Amino acid sequence: EDQVTQSPEALRLQEGESSSLNCSYTVSGLRGLFWYRQDPGKGPEFLFTLYSAGEEKEKERLKATLTKKESFLHITAPKPEDSATYLCAVQSWVGTSGSRLTFGEGTQLTVNP
Amino acid sequence: DSGVTQTPKHLITATGQRVTLRCSPRSGDLSVYWYQQSLDQGLQFLIQYYNGEERAKGNILERFSAQQFPDLHSELNLSSLELGDSALYFCASSVGSVGSGYTFGSGTRLTVV
Repeated sequence: EDQVTQSPEALRLQEGESSSLNCSYTVSGLRGLFWYRQDPGKGPEFLFTLYSAGEEKEKERLKATLTKKESFLHITAPKPEDSATYLCAVQSWVGTSGSRLTFGEGTQLTVNP
Repeated sequence: DSGVTQTPKHLITATGQRVTLRCSPRSGDLSVYWYQQSLDQGLQFLIQYYNGEERAKGNILERFSAQQFPDLHSELNLSSLELGDSALYFCASSVGSVGSGYTFGSGTRLTVV
């Protein structure tokens, strides 16, 4: 069974204080690893997809990296508007033609001004 | 606006009742996925449809069923509702059966009283 564990559960940063969020996973046949941002009461917003170990992707103050067992979401000089829950998910095949995302519990990030 | 439309946004109903949640995927997307998000379990995959056919099934209860219509909109039917079914229900869509990016809707908040 696919499993995703995110740490820490919650993280408080001061504006400008860089940090990293961790996502550890076990999956039988990784198709892709996804990062999403979710604001309270809203749907997850797509950030990145990573497909192979060593791959990195960047968007504004966010950078996602992938190894064979975990992924990191690095946040550089965060701003209060980066406050949200960050979700990690692994994509795997279901049967011969289906797919699913298995999500972690998320890291709730708060950035104080 | 993500392009994925879910209705209604909020639903309050009594135990034992039946409700239908509706999802219209983003234009051009053929796959629809349903997810349940409760406070104690995070985002859980329920079911996937691709161009009208069921492609993948998660931990969907027998009291729940879904279908995708020829115009590609999907409905999730929840029957014999219990208090524990109270949750946010999200629909996501992707172009293919194995998406490289899943776009989520804003969700339907179901409250069972």
